[in-house]
Amino acid sequence: KQEVTQIPAALSVPEGENLVLNCSFTDSAIYNLQWFRQDPGKGLTSLLLIQSSQREQTSGRLNASLDKSSGRSTLYIAASQPGDSATYLCAPSQGGSEKLVFGKGTKLTVNP
Amino acid sequence: GAVVSQHPSRVICKSGTSVKIECRSLDFQATTMFWYRQFPKQSLMLMATSNEGSKATYEQGVEKDKFLINHASLTLSTLTVTSAHPEDSSFYICSARDRRDGWYQETQYFGPGTRLLVL
Repeated sequence: KQEVTQIPAALSVPEGENLVLNCSFTDSAIYNLQWFRQDPGKGLTSLLLIQSSQREQTSGRLNASLDKSSGRSTLYIAASQPGDSATYLCAPSQGGSEKLVFGKGTKLTVNP
Repeated sequence: GAVVSQHPSRVICKSGTSVKIECRSLDFQATTMFWYRQFPKQSLMLMATSNEGSKATYEQGVEKDKFLINHASLTLSTLTVTSAHPEDSSFYICSARDRRDGWYQETQYFGPGTRLLVL
């Protein structure tokens, strides 16, 4: 059974800082991994999807890396802004299926 | 593109009543929709996978007779919480896959969620 851990659980940084969010998963037999953001009381917005054959994906100020063999992914946010404040969720696909398994997330607060 | 809506966004009901939540893909056809539940400060947990025209597949520990899922068309799936009790109070979120996406190549598009409070 896939288990996902996200560290840290919460992070508070001043505006402009670069930061890294970490995600680890126990079953390396994944097909892809997605990073989402969730705003309070809202649904999820997909940020990046990395296929199992890929090492990283980039979108604007976001860069996600994947080390499938070691069960790790990181989300790098450059030049953070107050609008980046949200909970970031990591979700690898459960081994052998298309189902996503979510971590508890990292709650990010970017202070002006 | 790739917008998923949910209705209602919030519902309060009395214990014992049934509540229906709709999930719609607005600008694409979804062969598969997923229903998740999220309790406060917990991760999203998959409840069931819904395929158009067939019975839903429920995750272990989810009562299929309590959480009725109907995926009658390529753009609509409904979740009915039957005889709701206070412990069913939670945030319910659906997601959908675009049928044009390849197997395991897809992104899941999520709805905004429905907050259910059972008194």
